[in-house]
Amino acid sequence: DTGVSQNPRHKITKRGQNVTFRCDPISEHNRLYWYRQTLGQGPEFLTYFQNEAQLEKSRLLSDRFSAERPKGSFSTLEIQRTEQGDSAMYLCASSPGPGRALSNQPQHFGDGTRLSIL
Amino acid sequence: GDSVTQMEGPVTLSEEAFLTINCTYTATGYPSLFWYVQYPGEGLQLLLKATKADDKGSNKGFEATYRKETTSFHLEKGSVQVSDSAVYFCALNTNAGKSTFGDGTTLTVKP
Repeated sequence: DTGVSQNPRHKITKRGQNVTFRCDPISEHNRLYWYRQTLGQGPEFLTYFQNEAQLEKSRLLSDRFSAERPKGSFSTLEIQRTEQGDSAMYLCASSPGPGRALSNQPQHFGDGTRLSIL
Repeated sequence: GDSVTQMEGPVTLSEEAFLTINCTYTATGYPSLFWYVQYPGEGLQLLLKATKADDKGSNKGFEATYRKETTSFHLEKGSVQVSDSAVYFCALNTNAGKSTFGDGTTLTVKP
């Protein structure tokens, strides 16, 4: 278990630029989740995948946001035309997925990517 | 929709003091309940969990009991240490496996 890996750890960019983050989940995990966390708040759900299929997207995920998991392994989260309000910590998590009760499965988190918009 | 409410912080205690962090939830169905801990600059780590009513989760001296009648999952520790200083998040999972988190409670333990 090498843990969930996120890159980069920090990203500073100018408003209006596009950014892309990467998440490598625990290798045998089928489920992959993206969350956004702002200061003083808990993680807010953005979207999740089961293998390569994106099963749910939060209404927080505007059309400037897109996430992919093309081969069911790593995932990318892209934000186009960044805005000041996009500044946050973006967290990725994974869990084993179907085969065991989904509700019982804790999420394994990466250390996050902190996005700062200038 | 599902929601989790945690007691507002921050909480400051002296070493060896007793800790309680309150957590209540609203959910349809029968969720599983979790406590996660987040140390500065790191992601969330699972602290403990309970998957059905009256279950008690425990780890590293922390405990929490799943109370369906009061929809609560309060975190307790009998004697805190400086190393327990962190942000603590209560969370629930529904059958879809997606997590809903509280806003976190910052704990500072002073020597």
